[in-house]
Amino acid sequence: AQSVSQHNHHVILSEAASLELGCNYSYGGTVNLFWYVQYPGQHLQLLLKYFSGDPLVKGIKGFEAEFIKSKFSFNLRKPSVQWSDTAEYFCAVNAYGNTGKLIFGQGTTLQVKP
Amino acid sequence: EAGVAQSPRYKIIEKRQSVAFWCNPISGHATLYWYQQILGQGPKLLIQFQNNGVVDDSQLPKDRFSAERLKGVDSTLKIQPAKLEDSAVYLCASSFNPRGLANEKLFFGSGTQLSVL
Repeated sequence: AQSVSQHNHHVILSEAASLELGCNYSYGGTVNLFWYVQYPGQHLQLLLKYFSGDPLVKGIKGFEAEFIKSKFSFNLRKPSVQWSDTAEYFCAVNAYGNTGKLIFGQGTTLQVKP
Repeated sequence: EAGVAQSPRYKIIEKRQSVAFWCNPISGHATLYWYQQILGQGPKLLIQFQNNGVVDDSQLPKDRFSAERLKGVDSTLKIQPAKLEDSAVYLCASSFNPRGLANEKLFFGSGTQLSVL
């Protein structure tokens, strides 16, 4: 069965620090990969996605993620975080051919100190 | 555009009672999902509809949970009877996805927070 593992449950950073959130998945076939974000009091929304092509994908608000197939990883990065990036971040995967069903990781709570 | 609407926002019930949640997806979205998010975990798919047909309900506890999407638009999720472990946020999501593709972006509602006492 597909599964998604996020390495950190809670991350605390100061503004301007660099961010990397780890995500690994278990599935041997072709996958589509996503990062969703939930800001305090808001609903889940898409941050970025990878389907094919360039393994380095860029999303909203300066976030990017790199798909490394050999490591089954899709880590999220941002060079310089802002206080407004405080949120919960979810990595998700669906297997090619599945009808949009997403398997989510357990989430990482990011707290950015001003 | 209007987002995915869910109600109620919060619900508190006692165990063994029944409860229902409602979801109205974004207009024109063919696919509708119900996810359960227990505190400290990521969302878990309960059921997926493509128009008014069920695509995947493999993780729906069918002895107590039921869901319907009669006209291919809005949907209700029911729990009867509720157990303590059903305490969670129930999220509804939709996507345009007319052909059931795997790479469609999901739009989520704000969820219904259920507390079972």
